[in-house]
Amino acid sequence: DQQVKQNSPSLSVQEGRISILNCDYTNSMFDYFLWYKKYPAEGPTFLISISSIKDKNEDGRFTVFLNKSAKHLSLHIVPSQPGDSAVYFCAAINSGGSNYKLTFGKGTLLTVNP
Amino acid sequence: EPEVTQTPSHQVTQMGQEVILRCVPISNHLYFYWYRQILGQKVEFLVSFYNNEISEKSEIFDDQFSVERPDGSNFTLKIRSTKLEDSAMYFCARGTGNYGYTFGSGTRLTVV
Repeated sequence: DQQVKQNSPSLSVQEGRISILNCDYTNSMFDYFLWYKKYPAEGPTFLISISSIKDKNEDGRFTVFLNKSAKHLSLHIVPSQPGDSAVYFCAAINSGGSNYKLTFGKGTLLTVNP
Repeated sequence: EPEVTQTPSHQVTQMGQEVILRCVPISNHLYFYWYRQILGQKVEFLVSFYNNEISEKSEIFDDQFSVERPDGSNFTLKIRSTKLEDSAMYFCARGTGNYGYTFGSGTRLTVV
């Protein structure tokens, strides 16, 4: 039961260009969404989040867009840098639940080529 | 905020043996979690621990698994009788109060 889906297992972009990572969800109870970045042999690192009451959140080079009606969110990285190469996980929370449990997608491996 | 440190970083164990994965230091946080990632698959929720007791567990977290906070700063995950399919990266995390988590660097468990 994949409640959070990242349908692209990998993405390759050139340095300086935009990276767009996509995520879809099926559970309408999710109301908070997060993106995590993971390097090999490290734990996931929080990147950016968005509440369902917003449709956009921006933090430096990172912007997350949320389309609630389509149950779709995306992470834009611009300009992309080689150090951005990592696995990016989309995650969702039902804040009405008491445990703030994260439901993750399978991740997208981003490779930024110099 | 102190980082979440997990020990050991890599554990190899024989099938059927017990393993204890540790997460330190934990201080003054209410919510703690264990997640795991089987190679090539998504990060999966195992268990949440609130106010010194399990608040939610997944179907993965069967009777072979247990969690403890033995001394107020350590947070442990025990697998009583490991199976081959328990091989995975296990991540400890603490809730940071803004829906974000701080994850540890993980313990790679290899069951042979």
